[in-house]
Amino acid sequence: DMKVTQMPRYLIKRMGENVLLECGQDMSHETMYWYRQDPGLGLQLIYISYDVDSNSEGDIPKGYRVSRKKREHFSLILDSAKTNQTSVYFCASSQGNSDYTFGSGTRLLVI
Amino acid sequence: AQSVTQPDARVTVSEGASLQLRCKYSYSGTPYLFWYVQYPRQGLQLLLKYYSGDPVVQGVNGFEAEFIKSNSSFHLRKASVHWSDSAVYFCAVRKNNYAQGLTFGLGTRVSVFP
Repeated sequence: DMKVTQMPRYLIKRMGENVLLECGQDMSHETMYWYRQDPGLGLQLIYISYDVDSNSEGDIPKGYRVSRKKREHFSLILDSAKTNQTSVYFCASSQGNSDYTFGSGTRLLVI
Repeated sequence: AQSVTQPDARVTVSEGASLQLRCKYSYSGTPYLFWYVQYPRQGLQLLLKYYSGDPVVQGVNGFEAEFIKSNSSFHLRKASVHWSDSAVYFCAVRKNNYAQGLTFGLGTRVSVFP
């Protein structure tokens, strides 16, 4: 079954803590994405990864970094989380001209 | 740069009635267009897509959309909605390079009442 899996589903962190969001896919897709979704702003692209160790900033990369050491795994890291990073984070993957497959999201609350 | 406008933030419709959700895009070149649906607490699921050819595309669950190039529109339609169609619907356009992801509209929340 082709899927994108995100862990954890829910996360509460204190301001200033480091946050690690994990994403895995079982389709051997080359390209993976991190989006965040906020009311009134829709989905905004944070980072793209074209393959292992080949990452590119999206539209709103500030305050985030990513890591992709294996094709099937793409991590989003928040160093010293801020309250304005409270959001729902979605991971997605695609291959060539294929459809995009989205995960179920991680709800992050920074207090 | 690409952009997508969904002018209706919320739509309320009675079960069995028809539904149209509007989407207008701004894109230089041949657009690749998508409609996604998001059910509560879930990720985005693809309803349909348009790459080329017949401007009316059929999707899952009875949804269809029509690409009208002259109007830069890609409206979504369903002839008869069910209560389970209550969700948020997103229109999206692929960026110039297929590997650069999608640009989304802000979404339209659809509520279907019995």
